[in-house]
Amino acid sequence: QKEVEQDPGPLSVPEGAIVSLNCTYSNSAFQYFMWYRQYSRKGPELLMYTYSSGNKEDGRFTAQVDKSSKYISLFIRDSQPSDSATYLCAWDTGRRALTFGSGTRLQVQP
Amino acid sequence: DSGVTQTPKHLITATGQRVTLRCSPRSGDLSVYWYQQSLDQGLQFLIQYYNGEERAKGNILERFSAQQFPDLHSELNLSSLELGDSALYFCASSPQGKSNQPQHFGDGTRLSIL
Repeated sequence: QKEVEQDPGPLSVPEGAIVSLNCTYSNSAFQYFMWYRQYSRKGPELLMYTYSSGNKEDGRFTAQVDKSSKYISLFIRDSQPSDSATYLCAWDTGRRALTFGSGTRLQVQP
Repeated sequence: DSGVTQTPKHLITATGQRVTLRCSPRSGDLSVYWYQQSLDQGLQFLIQYYNGEERAKGNILERFSAQQFPDLHSELNLSSLELGDSALYFCASSPQGKSNQPQHFGDGTRLSIL
């Protein structure tokens, strides 16, 4: 079993839709949870960062963490064509190195 | 703009050669991380430096080495290059290199081995 499972997509939605991106993990040592967005030919850009179960909101983005079920989600409200990118979930076990999911490619159609 | 600068953006070289990738962290960040991103392996952690000292090591090949200089910039050296080393190499930085501090990434160096 992989440490991290992430649906690779591509996920195609119309502009204005609510997008749900999900990752599951098996390593209970994961402590800090992140979502990164990566545009083509660019580096990963930090979107959300949290360490506790529950929801964290930042503008149109909401990160949800459920440590008991070992999954994290990213919700994007009122999606825009500019949100078209690959979204990577990531974890830190406390040993500083990040473990990444394989990424979900999102396409928002105008 | 993350504030992390990587050069060059693209490198094309041949098998058996050696290359050096350079990274300047965000202003004030003491810790630098190197990652490799390939199509089949995704983003993989290679190595971390904090204030000039190696702090953590991932799946870094013996042919690869890194260092962090007194001005805090870092270099990743790749030698005896193989076709399979073709990938994107990213540098990230954080203030103190602690787990509760998120890492910010540069735009990477694309390495193509012919």
